[in-house]
Parts: sequence; structure tokens; C-alpha cells
Amino acid sequence: EPEVTQTPSHQVTQMGQEVILRCVPISNHLYFYWYRQILGQKVEFLVSFYNNEISEKSEIFDDQFSVERPDGSNFTLKIRSTKLEDSAMYFCASSGQGRYNEQFFGPGTRLTVL
Amino acid sequence: KNEVEQSPQNLTAQEGEFITINCSYSVGISALHWLQQHPGGGIVSLFMLSSGKKKHGRLIATINIQEKHSSLHITASHPRDSAVYICAVSGGTSYGKLTFGQGTILTVHP
Repeated sequence: EPEVTQTPSHQVTQMGQEVILRCVPISNHLYFYWYRQILGQKVEFLVSFYNNEISEKSEIFDDQFSVERPDGSNFTLKIRSTKLEDSAMYFCASSGQGRYNEQFFGPGTRLTVL
Repeated sequence: KNEVEQSPQNLTAQEGEFITINCSYSVGISALHWLQQHPGGGIVSLFMLSSGKKKHGRLIATINIQEKHSSLHITASHPRDSAVYICAVSGGTSYGKLTFGQGTILTVHP
């Protein structure tokens, strides 16, 4: 069964460093999302991506963040100059033909900023 | 902005019990999702529904659009059902983004 994959599973970085979180969505999906979950809190939407551009972003998704789909299969989230408060679990998700379809989640990347 | 509230926040049950988790939301939606999150953190989609009722094995999800309310039922609960159950909604002018509830922590004892 097709699945969304994410790498790495755990990333530890120093404050101020740049990190890139990688996702491979399900191959025929068209809508892509990044969410994050700070420990003990609810999951929050960061950004949605469709037709090779950002379709919607939250107020969390400021200039520190960027997304890319560089090669038609990978979907990356870049965090420039990480802060302590960026420590969280980051989930990638994808969905099929319609924006209100079921979303399939990757296993997540746990980011720890020291 | 849609507010999604779940109840209860914590639920403990004995194996075999019937379980109900409730979700309410404040603004009209296109779809409501029930998700399961295991201790390792991964999120799995259980149901997506926009009206009526859906059943999958021992899980049943219902939604009342007029009352902006949904329930997730688990019949004959089992310790392997222990997880966090999350309600999320999508709709309006969004490109499918999900707005999440805080989750219900379910523990089923043998």
C-alpha cells in the first residue's frame, strides 16, 4: 500500500542552524501539507502546496520557513535559523484529486533545537 | 476561524466496553476527519465524513451537520485501541487544511 515517507525520523540541531525536513508524498497525490505538533499540544497547520505553489499558509509560517517540491517527488520544509520554540514533531501529509479528500500522513520528523 | 473541541480529554475503559468520543466545531465545514495517533507519534486517518454515518470494523463515526457535532464510537474495546483520537475539520475557503482538536487520550485496560 502506498505511504508517505519522511526523513530523517529525528533531527537534532543547534539554535540558529538551518534544517531541511524531507517528505515523499504518495505518487499520484496533488495536495501537500506540513503540520507540526509541539509536545503536549494539538497539531497545527503550517502550509499547503498545490500546483507547484503555496496555496495557503498559517501565521506560524513566516519568512523563516519555506517549502519546495524540487523534483516532482520530494516535498521539503526548510527552517532557516532555527529557534528553541521550533522543537516539535513535523508531519507531512498528502491527498489525492480533491482538496477535501482524505489526507495520508507521514510518520513525522522529531526536531529538537538545542 | 474554526474552533474544534473534543470531549472527554482523557478516557479510561475496561476491555469490552463501548466507547464514545465527541467532537464539536464552530463553523460550517466540508469534511470532518477522525484520526488516530499512537505513542510513537504517527497519525493514521480513520474516517473522513461530511454527512451521516460510516463504519469500519468496530469503529463507527457519525456527524450531525446542523448541530456541528460528530461522535466516534468503538464497540467491544480492546487494549490495542489505546491511542490518542483526534478530530479535525476542513472546509470553507481553505485548500483542504485541517484544523485539529486537542485529542482524546484513550486507555483500555485488559
